[in-house]
Amino acid sequence: DQQVKQNSPSLSVQEGRISILNCDYTNSMFDYFLWYKKYPAEGPTFLISISSIKDKNEDGRFTVFLNKSAKHLSLHIVPSQPGDSAVYFCAASVGGSNYKLTFGKGTLLTVNP
Amino acid sequence: DAGVTQSPTHLIKTRGQQVTLRCSPKSGHDTVSWYQQALGQGPQFIFQYYEEEERQRGNFPDRFSGHQFPNYSSELNVNALLLGDSALYLCASSDDLGYNSPLHFGNGTRLTVT
Repeated sequence: DQQVKQNSPSLSVQEGRISILNCDYTNSMFDYFLWYKKYPAEGPTFLISISSIKDKNEDGRFTVFLNKSAKHLSLHIVPSQPGDSAVYFCAASVGGSNYKLTFGKGTLLTVNP
Repeated sequence: DAGVTQSPTHLIKTRGQQVTLRCSPKSGHDTVSWYQQALGQGPQFIFQYYEEEERQRGNFPDRFSGHQFPNYSSELNVNALLLGDSALYLCASSDDLGYNSPLHFGNGTRLTVT
């Protein structure tokens, strides 16, 4: 039973354009959501997070949107850069926990020069 | 400032054997979590150690056990290895249990069971 779903295995965008990565969840107890980025042969790196009391959080080129009624969140990257090419994981937790995370399967983002 | 370090980077074992993976947390961190990432999947939570005790556990059998030492480093032990245990094992650390301290992951140990 996949509680966090990333339905797009891959996404390809042009440099300078917007990248939108999507994530859906089924567990209504999730109240903290995170995005991690993973390069080959490296561990996941924290990117941005959002609490369920907010619907938007922004950090530089990265913005995460949360739609609780739809149980959907998205990560926007503007503008996209070739160095953003990586696998992006959506993760969620209950009770604001930072360690017991439920991850999606990931989306491979390729930003073409 | 060293990040999370894991050893070994790669390991090949035979079915039925036992394996020990090691992790040193990022400097200043005292909480260690372990994750298993199978091919094509996202990381899956195994367990978390804080103050040398297992605090939370995911849906993994008792063949998976761990330990945290007084210097906060940690070991993951897997007994009676199965082919399905082949995966990337990730260690992560933090200095807090809440949302103010996102997990920092190591580069992982790639375990292959033949």
